[in-house]
Amino acid sequence: QSALTQPASVSGSPGQSITISCTGTSSDVGGYNYVSWYQQHPGKAPKLMIYDVSNRPSGVSNRFSGSKSGNTASLTISGLQAEDEADYYCSSYTSSSTCVFGTGTKVTVL
Amino acid sequence: EVQLVESGGGLVKPGGSLRLSCAASGFTFSSYSMNWVRQAPGKGLEWVSSISSSSSYIYYADSVKGRFTISRDNAKNSLYLQMNSLRAEDTAVYYCARVKVEMATIGAFDIWGQGTMVTVSS
Repeated sequence: QSALTQPASVSGSPGQSITISCTGTSSDVGGYNYVSWYQQHPGKAPKLMIYDVSNRPSGVSNRFSGSKSGNTASLTISGLQAEDEADYYCSSYTSSSTCVFGTGTKVTVL
Repeated sequence: EVQLVESGGGLVKPGGSLRLSCAASGFTFSSYSMNWVRQAPGKGLEWVSSISSSSSYIYYADSVKGRFTISRDNAKNSLYLQMNSLRAEDTAVYYCARVKVEMATIGAFDIWGQGTMVTVSS
């Protein structure tokens, strides 16, 4: 199972919006609505930000939103803040009943 | 407080074995599927294995199939990963993670442990 494809880095100024893409295949992202997004700060465990494509867990800011079109899922962060600077990973359920993560995206707040 | 705490990591020689443990607290462990996820130094997340709440369904990544064994003891609120025939490329921080929805076999990972480091080197 190959990793889902994400851009290596995305940057934006405070207050701006950025979007991170996550491209897979019809056997994972495109085939199921089990796409999740995780935020990871250096030296910390990942934190769930979005589940089932577009749902936010309790306590996660509404500045984070998710969507999907075909084999590509997206995470949008609006009103970018300094604390959003972190690595972000998408993940998906697969047709093999396994899980696959994305390659990861480093978000930099300029 | 809902919590997962991993232990058992350390330095092991290539070809050696190690058993990781993950102690759960603050929730009904027996109702949730659990997973192991690893992260090599400076690299991304890699899913390793999953086990359903009653151990009926178990899955592995191709990279560890035949070498690693996931198990759980619901009476002890614990998850395990037995790692055999270890290779240098298994060097990583290993996290245990809970599937968000009770009784579901698949889904997002909403609770993560702090991780335990495994180093495979001679």
